[in-house]
Amino acid sequence: AQKITQTQPGMFVQEKEAVTLDCTYDTSDQSYGLFWYKQPSSGEMIFLIYQGSYDEQNATEGRYSLNFQKARKSANLVISASQLGDSAMYFCAMRPIFNKFYFGSGTKLNVKP
Amino acid sequence: GAVVSQHPSWVICKSGTSVKIECRSLDFQATTMFWYRQFPKQSLMLMATSNEGSKATYEQGVEKDKFLINHASLTLSTLTVTSAHPEDSSFYICSARDRKRGPQETQYFGPGTRLLVL
Repeated sequence: AQKITQTQPGMFVQEKEAVTLDCTYDTSDQSYGLFWYKQPSSGEMIFLIYQGSYDEQNATEGRYSLNFQKARKSANLVISASQLGDSAMYFCAMRPIFNKFYFGSGTKLNVKP
Repeated sequence: GAVVSQHPSWVICKSGTSVKIECRSLDFQATTMFWYRQFPKQSLMLMATSNEGSKATYEQGVEKDKFLINHASLTLSTLTVTSAHPEDSSFYICSARDRKRGPQETQYFGPGTRLLVL
């Protein structure tokens, strides 16, 4: 069975500090993709970062990096130098090959000034 | 910029009426689009996979006659909520894959449609 778990319903971080959002997954597939999306209050889902299961290096996109630990089946999102505009819901997602997306329950991040 | 658009962004309707939501891929062709539903403070729930030129594939528990999906062209999919009732009030969001943009299999989402049925 495919499953994505985000154990942090809410997180607070001070502006300019780094924050890690946790994500673990469960799949029996060998090939899959891991994604993080940001959903501000407007509702739009914004793609942030992608990690392929066979990628040896952790993905990075600007201030976003994905801490991929395949053996532990975790794909944590690290946001460096948090900004007020980072306040939003963050969803971790997994897509096994030739399959649909599976989303976690989300983490609400609040950046304090 | 946005690669997927949705219209309308929000709609209020009376119970019993039907509502059509459009999802368009901008500057790319999408043979497959996805429709999700999201309740407040919850995650996205896949309703169906829309396939251009063929019938949509619905997830278990989603009423096919209630949520009609038509993927008439490579850039347009529509979701019609038929005989809407207050319990259909939700945030509906579509997505599509643009194989020429971004990492493989990345889904790009529309801005969503907020439906309120009175």
